[in-house]
Amino acid sequence: DTGVSQDPRHKITKRGQNVTFRCDPISEHNRLYWYRQTLGQGPEFLTYFQNEAQLEKSRLLSDRFSAERPKGSFSTLEIQRTEQGDSAMYLCASSLQGQGASGYTFGSGTRLTVV
Amino acid sequence: GENVEQHPSTLSVQEGDSAVIKCTYSDSASNYFPWYKQELGKGPQLIIDIRSNVGEKKDQRIAVTLNKTAKHFSLHITETQPEDSAVYFCAASITSRQLTFGSGTQLTVLP
Repeated sequence: DTGVSQDPRHKITKRGQNVTFRCDPISEHNRLYWYRQTLGQGPEFLTYFQNEAQLEKSRLLSDRFSAERPKGSFSTLEIQRTEQGDSAMYLCASSLQGQGASGYTFGSGTRLTVV
Repeated sequence: GENVEQHPSTLSVQEGDSAVIKCTYSDSASNYFPWYKQELGKGPQLIIDIRSNVGEKKDQRIAVTLNKTAKHFSLHITETQPEDSAVYFCAASITSRQLTFGSGTQLTVLP
């Protein structure tokens, strides 16, 4: 297993367009997390899945954002009607239930630029 | 919710010297405190962590100390090397599912 994989690595989009990112977690990990990291700041929690169930969502996850993990494996994060303020690195992490936060493995992220 | 403050935002040290980064947290219910290293273009990588029932933990050149009463914890890197140059983040966790990160410290080790 090569770790947490995110695709694409970079995305440039025009304001108002929709974008979708994909995260493939470590295969045996049943928990999956999305974080957002703006320039010069630490990552901020967006949402978390256990298997296919989305169990927690941050207030940062506005109604333009939607995340899915349909079969409990890979996950997608969609941003509708992108705004310049959405420009950030979107990080995915996965872990095994029971390891908690100590078992986090982060991917390399998708860098979104909204122009 | 939890708030984590991290200082300094930038730190330059000579190779071989020690580096110390400090964090404070707001919620006394936090019980897990990891430190991450992030290199350019990569995701954060866990380098050391400590739980609230432990005061100090060491792993080779890296150590972390925790003062629960004062609600602060620190990362100590000894005998720094150029490859230690990166951004370091502290974090705190109340639940096992969410991490609250500090704003990061850019460490530069000068040869």
